[in-house]
Parts: sequence; C-alpha cells; structure tokens
Amino acid sequence: QQPVQSPQAVILREGEDAVINCSSSKALYSVHWYRQKHGEAPVFLMILLKGGEQKGHDKISASFNEKKQQSSLYLTASQLSYSGTYFCGTALNAGNMLTFGGGTRLMVKP
Amino acid sequence: DAGVIQSPRHEVTEMGQEVTLRCKPISGHNSLFWYRQTMMRGLELLIYFNNNVPIDDSGMPEDRFSAKMPNASFSTLKIQPSEPRDSAVYFCASSHGRDRGAFFGQGTRLTVV
Repeated sequence: QQPVQSPQAVILREGEDAVINCSSSKALYSVHWYRQKHGEAPVFLMILLKGGEQKGHDKISASFNEKKQQSSLYLTASQLSYSGTYFCGTALNAGNMLTFGGGTRLMVKP
Repeated sequence: DAGVIQSPRHEVTEMGQEVTLRCKPISGHNSLFWYRQTMMRGLELLIYFNNNVPIDDSGMPEDRFSAKMPNASFSTLKIQPSEPRDSAVYFCASSHGRDRGAFFGQGTRLTVV
C-alpha cells in the first residue's frame, strides 16, 4: 500500500518553513525520508522507527506518529539547497520491503 | 570510499534484447537494493539482498527480471527479453542493514526502443 504524501508540490521563499506529510492506511514499522534533486540519485535524510520518535539534523527534522500512521518532515528556514523532490518510504514490519510515496516537489526561491 | 558504482550509466537497446545492469555496493555494506524509477510509477523497490542472499523479490515486476549477487561486492539485474515499458532509471543502493540509511548509485538510464 503506497503511502500518500502531501502536498504534492510547494514553493517557498528562502528562509520560510515547510512541512511535508506522509500518511499510511496501515500501521507502520518505519518511515524513511529521502531527497532527490533533478537528474540525481535520492539522498538519505533520516529513518524513524516505531516508537513515536522525532529526529533531526541541521534545520531538517521529522516526527513519526504511530497512532495517526503518519510522519511529517519539517524544513525550517529553508535554503536554496533544499530544493528537490522529497520521498517517504514506509515499511509495515521489520521484514517488509519499502513502499515509496509519490514525492513532494519543493522549490525554494531567492 | 567511491560510493555505490553502477554501470552502464546509459543503455539503449532494442526490444527483445537482453539487458544486464551492474552494481558495486559500498565496501562493508551488507544490504543491497535495486530500485526502478519512472514518471508514471515513481520509485519502486524491486529486490533486497542481505549478506548476498535475496530476502524479498516481491517488487520484481515479471519473470523477465532477475537479480543476482554472487559476492559481497557485485550484483546484477537482468532483463530478458526487454520491452519498451521497461524503460526507466534503475538505481542500486546499499546500506549497513535494512533499517539504516541507504546510499544510492547514480543510476542506469535504460531506454528500450
């Protein structure tokens, strides 16, 4: 079951904040976040495991709400380098394959 | 470390031909993944190896697709016979275990005409 990402696209000015959501219709074991720039490979951002944790590095953080079967990626004080497509990948249990959402295209303008 | 290395970077082939994509994972990583990305279907995980053993190939679309990992430093994804709908970017990624961040290769852009 493919997770649903929202919004599909967002345009920001440098310094603005954004939230990207990833929702599942089933209980999740883990959520993986990646960013992909045009013509490049996806780059790993972070993994959140069952337990309702929150992670972050620099100005990008994420939360995982098991009850809501949802994860959110928070981008604070966005920089031009944050532009790209953000994907969440979800696993239903420890032995499961990842299923990726359709992506959220983020564009940060000067 | 050189990162995950894939070859070729681009492949154009005729329908019906056999195509072999190659991947060298990061040294020391014990998990390897093959992905396919298209505009229509997005990013799909095809197969996952752990310690050179295929663990889950439920993402492999058809019997025309096969993947092998004969040793810890090499994997192949083969399509035989290829069809135009197989055109996509194929990524290989590796990690220290399944629940760790995966590092992607630069991908192979396959075009089947």
